[in-house]
Amino acid sequence: QVQLQESGPGLVKPSETLSLTCTVSSGSISNYFWSWIRQPPGKGLEWIGYISYSGSTSYNPSLKSRVTISVDTSKNQLSLRLSSVTAADTAFYYCARTHNGYDRTWFDPWGQGTLVPVSS
Amino acid sequence: SYDLTQPPSVSVSPGQTASITCSGDKLGDKYASWYQQKPGQSPVLVIYEDRKRPSGIPERFSGSNSGSTATLTITGTQAMDEADYYCQAWDINTVVFGGGTKLTVL
Repeated sequence: QVQLQESGPGLVKPSETLSLTCTVSSGSISNYFWSWIRQPPGKGLEWIGYISYSGSTSYNPSLKSRVTISVDTSKNQLSLRLSSVTAADTAFYYCARTHNGYDRTWFDPWGQGTLVPVSS
Repeated sequence: SYDLTQPPSVSVSPGQTASITCSGDKLGDKYASWYQQKPGQSPVLVIYEDRKRPSGIPERFSGSNSGSTATLTITGTQAMDEADYYCQAWDINTVVFGGGTKLTVL
């Protein structure tokens, strides 16, 4: 059963860049799409974007100008960079394997998530 | 932008049937998925492609989608089903989640 584990700094300062890594274990990162999804504490889910194993990406239009998702197949990892963060970017950040068809998408499984506070 | 609307809360008695709705413009023309999230845990997929159950999800979970409403139904609800539930769909190259429904079993 594939497992995902997010990692990154515990705190990011306003205006700086948030950087997270998701390591995929017990399975290959190839042949699948992978997403980042976030959830502010006590609130709902927001899709950030996805990347294919070959590197093609799609981003949430509301975040597109600040987001970069990349993949390193040699390390079985995907990464997220979110620039110019504010307190509104404080959230649990999840990575998830993405099942992506022409007109459908779903996420399974998800990582355990990591809380990234944005504060000075 | 495309919006999915869920009731903030639904209550059900143990052993009864719980129905959680998700509404969106012509949602029946899209595919809906559902996720269960218990406190302090990450979301778990319980329904995809409107009505399919992933391996390991109990048969009491079922889904439907028609017109403008997708519905997650839990038959014979158990105390362990108390959680937040989120619907999700794909629309014009973007993923949309509903606001979530808190299911209380009492």
